[in-house]
Amino acid sequence: KQEVTQIPAALSVPEGENLVLNCSFTDSAIYNLQWFRQDPGKGLTSLLLIQSSQREQTSGRLNASLDKSSGRSTLYIAASQPGDSATYLCAVWSGGGADGLTFGKGTHLIIQP
Amino acid sequence: DGGITQSPKYLFRKEGQNVTLSCEQNLNHDAMYWYRQDPGQGLRLIYYSQIVNDFQKGDIAEGYSVSREKKESFPLTVTSAQKNPTAFYLCASSISDSWGPQHFGDGTRLSIL
Repeated sequence: KQEVTQIPAALSVPEGENLVLNCSFTDSAIYNLQWFRQDPGKGLTSLLLIQSSQREQTSGRLNASLDKSSGRSTLYIAASQPGDSATYLCAVWSGGGADGLTFGKGTHLIIQP
Repeated sequence: DGGITQSPKYLFRKEGQNVTLSCEQNLNHDAMYWYRQDPGQGLRLIYYSQIVNDFQKGDIAEGYSVSREKKESFPLTVTSAQKNPTAFYLCASSISDSWGPQHFGDGTRLSIL
């Protein structure tokens, strides 16, 4: 059974820093990996989706990389801003329908002004 | 604007009572999903539907029921058989379930009176 782990569980950094969030998964046979953002009391917003054949995806100040063979993905946030404060979740899809999607527990990020 | 609408935002259930959570989407997506989110845990799949009049159980379907009579609507009923219903419930949709959830609603928080 696929397991997804996100480290660290929480992170607090000063504004302007570049930071890296980590996601690891136990079964490398995945079809894609997604990074989501969740604000308090809200739903999830999809940030980036990386197909298994891709190495990275970029959107603005966000860059996500995927190393399928080692079971790892990183989300890089450049020049962090207080508005980036949220919980970031990664999810991997291992195929077989919706029950093949496994979420991590998230990293709670606080950017200090 | 296209999106997913969940209602109500907050819901209270009395013991022995069934309650229904609403989820409506105007994205013309075929697939819809219900997740449960508990503090410190990842999202867990309750039910999903790939097409109208068809749905499948997820990991934690016991005590829940769904219907999919229209493409736009996927209501979730939390029955009295669900002994620990207090949680944050998220509805999602995607073009097809091969891509996994892409769009989420803002959630319904269910509590026990």
